[in-house]
Amino acid sequence: DQQVKQNSPSLSVQEGRISILNCDYTNSMFDYFLWYKKYPAEGPTFLISISSIKDKNEDGRFTVFLNKSAKHLSLHIVPSQPGDSAVYFCAASRGGSNYKLTFGKGTLLTVNP
Amino acid sequence: SQTIHQWPATLVQPVGSPLSLECTVEGTSNPNLYWYRQAAGRGLQLLFYSVGIGQISSEVPQNLSASRPQDRQFILSSKKLLLSDSGFYLCACGSGINYGYTFGSGTRLTVV
Repeated sequence: DQQVKQNSPSLSVQEGRISILNCDYTNSMFDYFLWYKKYPAEGPTFLISISSIKDKNEDGRFTVFLNKSAKHLSLHIVPSQPGDSAVYFCAASRGGSNYKLTFGKGTLLTVNP
Repeated sequence: SQTIHQWPATLVQPVGSPLSLECTVEGTSNPNLYWYRQAAGRGLQLLFYSVGIGQISSEVPQNLSASRPQDRQFILSSKKLLLSDSGFYLCACGSGINYGYTFGSGTRLTVV
């Protein structure tokens, strides 16, 4: 039972354009959501997060949107840069779970120069 | 800030051989520690987590075990590896202040 789903295994965009990565979840108890970025043969690095009490969080070129009624979140990268090419993981956690994160399968973003 | 040391970076082991992967943490005390695995074509799956010395919780039934002999040391082990144990193993640390993790650089294990 996959509680966090990233239905697009890959996404390709042109440099300078917007990248939109999507994530859906099924567990209504999740109250915190995170995005991680991963390069090959490296551990994931934290990118941005959002609490369930918010619907938007912005950090520079990265913005995460949360739609709780739809159980959907998205990561927007504007403008996209070739260095953004990586696998992006969506993750979710619920209070009282010892901060265990449930991850999606990831989306490979390729930004073409 | 937290730093996670994880080794080795790559490992090729025959089926039936034992395994020991070590993870140590710097820059924090009493962290929550996690072992994740990324198998080919799959996401990050939580294998074990620990909230303190000697406290291990297993998330999925499997051929692996974990131990936490010291506050900032987390070990993943197996007595006899299976082909299905191949994957990219990641150690992670959470301070509990927020929900973000710091990940180690990972170990690529190939069982042949």
